[in-house]
Amino acid sequence: AQTVTQSQPEMSVQEAETVTLSCTYDTSESDYYLFWYKQPPSRQMILVIRQEAYKQQNATENRFSVNFQKAAKSFSLKISDSQLGDAAMYFCAYRRSGAGSYQLTFGKGTKLSVIP
Amino acid sequence: KAGVTQTPRYLIKTRGQQVTLSCSPISGHRSVSWYQQTPGQGLQFLFEYFSETQRNKGNFPGRFSGRQFSNSRSEMNVSTLELGDSALYLCASSLAKQARTNEQFFGPGTRLTVL
Repeated sequence: AQTVTQSQPEMSVQEAETVTLSCTYDTSESDYYLFWYKQPPSRQMILVIRQEAYKQQNATENRFSVNFQKAAKSFSLKISDSQLGDAAMYFCAYRRSGAGSYQLTFGKGTKLSVIP
Repeated sequence: KAGVTQTPRYLIKTRGQQVTLSCSPISGHRSVSWYQQTPGQGLQFLFEYFSETQRNKGNFPGRFSGRQFSNSRSEMNVSTLELGDSALYLCASSLAKQARTNEQFFGPGTRLTVL
């Protein structure tokens, strides 16, 4: 079974600074997807960024980028120029490739605080 | 386009009762998944429906069940509620047309409290 581990329960960052959230996963599959979701206090889960395992290039979405190390099974999220609105729980998630299921396996989450 | 909606948003029940939660996916989305979120266990997959068929189920007791209707709306039911069922229940929908481009969109959740 696939597992996702986020080893940092809480992190903080100064506004305008850069922070990196860590995620490792375990799978025997070679093709899969990895995601970072953001859950602010409003509880609405929002997709931040997605990485397809077969793509070597790291995904980037504006201030958000990932460092995907397939051999090491590591998938970290870097937030640049942190803003107050970035404060939230961040979840790393894994999904197998293929059309059989869209089930996501989540890590326990990292609570990010942004200090003004 | 309206997002995923879940009703009710908040619910208080007592032990032994049963509850039904509803999820309306984004228009055109055919796949609906349910997740339970608790402080202790985090986010856990409950089940997934596609075209009215359950195609995947998580490791939950039989008290948890669900279904999907022809308009893709989904309901989940929990019978004989236990205190440990108190959680945020999240629903997510997906277009489910091309596996590689699919993304799951989450609803705001239903907060269930069992007393």
